Amino acid sequence: AQSVTQPDIHITVSEGASLELRCNYSYGATPYLFWYVQSPGQGLQLLLKYFSGDTLVQGIKGFEAEFKRSQSSFNLRKPSVHWSDAAEYFCAVGARYSSASKIIFGSGTRLSIRP
Amino acid sequence: DGGITQSPKYLFRKEGQNVTLSCEQNLNHDAMYWYRQDPGQGLRLIYYSQIVNDFQKGDIAEGYSVSREKKESFPLTVTSAQKNPTAFYLCASSRAGDSYGYTFGSGTRLTVV
Repeated sequence: AQSVTQPDIHITVSEGASLELRCNYSYGATPYLFWYVQSPGQGLQLLLKYFSGDTLVQGIKGFEAEFKRSQSSFNLRKPSVHWSDAAEYFCAVGARYSSASKIIFGSGTRLSIRP
Repeated sequence: DGGITQSPKYLFRKEGQNVTLSCEQNLNHDAMYWYRQDPGQGLRLIYYSQIVNDFQKGDIAEGYSVSREKKESFPLTVTSAQKNPTAFYLCASSRAGDSYGYTFGSGTRLTVV
């Protein structure tokens, strides 16, 4: 079964600084990988997804993520954060060739922005 | 525009009562899901359904029930057997297969009073 770990519960960065949120997954083959963002009291919005091909994936709002098979990681990055990026971020993994059609979510990383 | 609608946004329940949370989608998605979210615990899967008239238990199904009589609708009932129902509930839907990701509703916050 697949699983996903987000080792950082809470991160604070200064506005304009770069950001990297960590995500590690466990799966026997190449999974489908996703990053979602959640503002307080709202649902989750898809930022980006990796299926195959280029390991550097571009998403919305200036985010990107890199799939590294050797490290079983799919870290989310942004070169310069804005105050509006303060939110909770979830990494998720889906199993290829599975009839269950079920995505597993990490426990989330809360991002705070220092003015 | 297509999307998922959850209602109500806020719901208050007295102890011992059953309450039903609504989830409707007009995306023509086959699969629908219910998650519970508690602070610091991420999303936990309650039930999911891949086709009409069929659904499966997730990781924390005890005290909850669902139905899937129409493709567009997947209501969740929180029964009196659920001992700690106060939480944020999220509904999601997807096309068949894991590769498409999920579309989420805006959630229902349930509070026991």
